[in-house]
Amino acid sequence: GNSVTQMEGPVTLSEEAFLTINCTYTATGYPSLFWYVQYPGEGLQLLLKATKADDKGSNKGFEATYRKETTSFHLEKGSVQVSDSAVYFCALSGFGNEKLTFGTGTRLTIIP
Amino acid sequence: NAGVTQTPKFQVLKTGQSMTLQCAQDMNHEYMSWYRQDPGMGLRLIHYSVGAGITDQGEVPNGYNVSRSTTEDFPLRLLSAAPSQTSVYFCASTMGGSFTGELFFGEGSRLTVL
Repeated sequence: GNSVTQMEGPVTLSEEAFLTINCTYTATGYPSLFWYVQYPGEGLQLLLKATKADDKGSNKGFEATYRKETTSFHLEKGSVQVSDSAVYFCALSGFGNEKLTFGTGTRLTIIP
Repeated sequence: NAGVTQTPKFQVLKTGQSMTLQCAQDMNHEYMSWYRQDPGMGLRLIHYSVGAGITDQGEVPNGYNVSRSTTEDFPLRLLSAAPSQTSVYFCASTMGGSFTGELFFGEGSRLTVL
């Protein structure tokens, strides 16, 4: 079945540092890939997505590239801010599959 | 915009009690779903619905019941609560048709079963 393996947290960085959160997946066919973010006390919200190989999703300075050869979708940001502190979830949706499979989440804390 | 509204936000139950978590959306979304979030396990799908009158099981359906009588509402029922059902529950919805994975989530309902 489908699965998502996500970088263990928590991750603590200083403001303006470079961020990478690793995500790899197992799926048959060509899944769509997502990053969701959960700010404290809130529900998840979609951060970015990619639907086919080599697509790059981007939003709010975050980027992730769909790499089929390495089955990866790593999240990156060049310069993090305190407001980026949140839990980040990698997820996939398989073809013809009406549900999302989530990774375990990575808690990110940015210190001033 | 209300979006996806969940009630209650917090609930404490005793083992064996029953309750219903309410979920309502005002976006005319056909697809609705319930997830539970547990530490170290991410989100797991409990039940989902692709339209009024249609429901299906997700990854962890045991101990939960759902129905979908209207497009707007998708309540989750715990028939006999167990401590293993202590969790944070999220309702999520999206437009119908081809599933895109772009879910809109409620703010969550934190349930504690003693």
